Amino acid sequence: QKEVEQNSGPLSVPEGAIASLNCTYSDRVSQSFFWYRQYSGKSPELIMSIYSNGDKEDGRFTAQLNKASQYVSLLIRDSQPSDSATYLCAVNMFTPGTASKLTFGTGTRLQVTL
Amino acid sequence: DGGITQSPKYLFRKEGQNVTLSCEQNLNHDAMYWYRQDPGQGLRLIYYSQIVNDFQKGDIAEGYSVSREKKESFPLTVTSAQKNPTAFYLCASSIAGQGAYEQYFGPGTRLTVT
Repeated sequence: QKEVEQNSGPLSVPEGAIASLNCTYSDRVSQSFFWYRQYSGKSPELIMSIYSNGDKEDGRFTAQLNKASQYVSLLIRDSQPSDSATYLCAVNMFTPGTASKLTFGTGTRLQVTL
Repeated sequence: DGGITQSPKYLFRKEGQNVTLSCEQNLNHDAMYWYRQDPGQGLRLIYYSQIVNDFQKGDIAEGYSVSREKKESFPLTVTSAQKNPTAFYLCASSIAGQGAYEQYFGPGTRLTVT
């Protein structure tokens, strides 16, 4: 069964702290990984993509990928109340001869407290 | 302004009626997707299309139909055969191909069937 797993939360962090969001996936041949942010009642917004092992930084966001452990994470530095949202992990489970498809986790709800 | 539009934002229907959700994009993307999101759940793929006049079933296609007559448009029909149609419906688009490409979402249509 190909799947993507996330802790549903809520993950509560104080303003200014680092929020760490985790995601594991079952398909060893997965090649591409994405993090989306979804505010309540809104559609998902792409915030990070990562394709290679290691870290990728973009502003306050860092995505970390470890393909051997089938683990991808998102770090948010200097967390702000506006970061309070649900964060969806999405994994491209590539199958030769078929179109690219994403499998989404159920999301982790992040609450940044004042 | 490039983007994806979905209409209407809210839609109410009586059980037994078919309903068509609109999705239009001006990003010049070849690939388009329909997802469904239920409360507390991840996104589930209904249908996707890599090119005009071609589309494939996703994980939960039963009770839905699509067409792709134009590159810019990918309407979804929720038929009376769909047992639990009330949900948040999201359209996305991306570059097409065998690789993994970032998907961008429209604002969504919230469908309520009573």
